[in-house]
Amino acid sequence: QQQVKQSPQSLIVQKGGISIINCAYENTAFDYFPWYQQFPGKGPALLIAIRPDVSEKKEGRFTISFNKSAKQFSLHIMDSQPGDSATYFCAASMRSGNTPLVFGKGTRLSVIA
Amino acid sequence: ETGVTQTPRHLVMGMTNKKSLKCEQHLGHNAMYWYKQSAKKPLELMFVYNFKEQTENNSVPSRFSPECPNSSHLFLHLHTLQPEDSALYLCASSARTGPTSGNTIYFGEGSWLTVV
Repeated sequence: QQQVKQSPQSLIVQKGGISIINCAYENTAFDYFPWYQQFPGKGPALLIAIRPDVSEKKEGRFTISFNKSAKQFSLHIMDSQPGDSATYFCAASMRSGNTPLVFGKGTRLSVIA
Repeated sequence: ETGVTQTPRHLVMGMTNKKSLKCEQHLGHNAMYWYKQSAKKPLELMFVYNFKEQTENNSVPSRFSPECPNSSHLFLHLHTLQPEDSALYLCASSARTGPTSGNTIYFGEGSWLTVV
């Protein structure tokens, strides 16, 4: 199965700081890159997504940065809050065909006061 | 509420039992999925159904048997499971598999399975 490599596995950030989670992919045919957020006891939920025709997408405090040549994309959480503490999954898939999303292994983020 | 409902939320079963997990989506989607989530493999795709037809079986042992009677319902039948099968089983749906505009995958809250 195609891989998406996510790092770090866990992250501790001070309240108000910037949380950065990185992902790298192998398949150059991937052209859809979402991030999912999962709180304890809940299923993952779509947070933000990007397509490779743009290098950055911002929604509120959450920003995806995309580097097509390096085959990397990252999630930045500005002004991190304790309520952002969750597990974050990056994912990738192709526009064509019926290939389901391929997920990274997740990053457990803890924002401490 | 994501529109994907899973029951039961918690299940404890012996290795010789037969049980089923149920999933229902109220989103009008045509694709449904089973994922297994554990500490070792956080989001492991098990099965995919498109328009009630199974399109992907990710080398899942036969002790897991999916059933999709219609586009809104998905079951996972369990029999002779092993303790290592204890995990969170997530159901999900999307308009269709593959990424098109707005083709978000919506997850249920999961069924916690413990095999004793």
